[in-house]
Amino acid sequence: GNSVTQMEGPVTLSEEAFLTINCTYTATGYPSLFWYVQYPGEGLQLLLKATKADDKGSNKGFEATYRKETTSFHLEKGSVQVSDSAVYFCALSDWDFNKFYFGSGTKLNVKP
Amino acid sequence: NAGVTQTPKFQVLKTGQSMTLQCAQDMNHNSMYWYRQDPGMGLRLIYYSASEGTTDKGEVPNGYNVSRLNKREFSLRLESAAPSQTSVYFCASSDAGTGLSEAFFGQGTRLTVV
Repeated sequence: GNSVTQMEGPVTLSEEAFLTINCTYTATGYPSLFWYVQYPGEGLQLLLKATKADDKGSNKGFEATYRKETTSFHLEKGSVQVSDSAVYFCALSDWDFNKFYFGSGTKLNVKP
Repeated sequence: NAGVTQTPKFQVLKTGQSMTLQCAQDMNHNSMYWYRQDPGMGLRLIYYSASEGTTDKGEVPNGYNVSRLNKREFSLRLESAAPSQTSVYFCASSDAGTGLSEAFFGQGTRLTVV
């Protein structure tokens, strides 16, 4: 079946530190992969996506590369800001059944 | 462009009461979804609708019913609310038939069952 596993949080970093949030997946087909961000009291917003192996998604300084050989899609940012504090979700789409599968979320706290 | 709109934003119910959560999207998407979000458990799919006129169960359908009223609207009904249904509910839509499209989410409904 399909599933997504991401590192548990919370992750606490100082401003300007390097961020990595690990995400691995299990899929029966060839899914698209996504990172979503959720700010307090809000819905999920798409941060970036990759639709095939070796694609790199990027947005607002965040990057993630679709690694089929390691079934991973780790999120990275070179220098985090306080405003990046949020919960981050890794997700995959199963296009055969029009479904999305989400990881459990990783809370990021960035301190000034 | 409103995207995905959910109503209400907040609701308190007594055990045994019923209610319907409303969701509408204006992006002409075929697929719509209802998720619940609980601490430490991420998002769990309750029901989804791949196209107008079809609905299917997700991971946690018990205690819920859905209606895909038309292409725009997808409602979630709790017939007899229980405290275990206290959660944040999100509606989402997608042009998922392409296999490439992301899901777009509403702002959520915070439901408390006492």
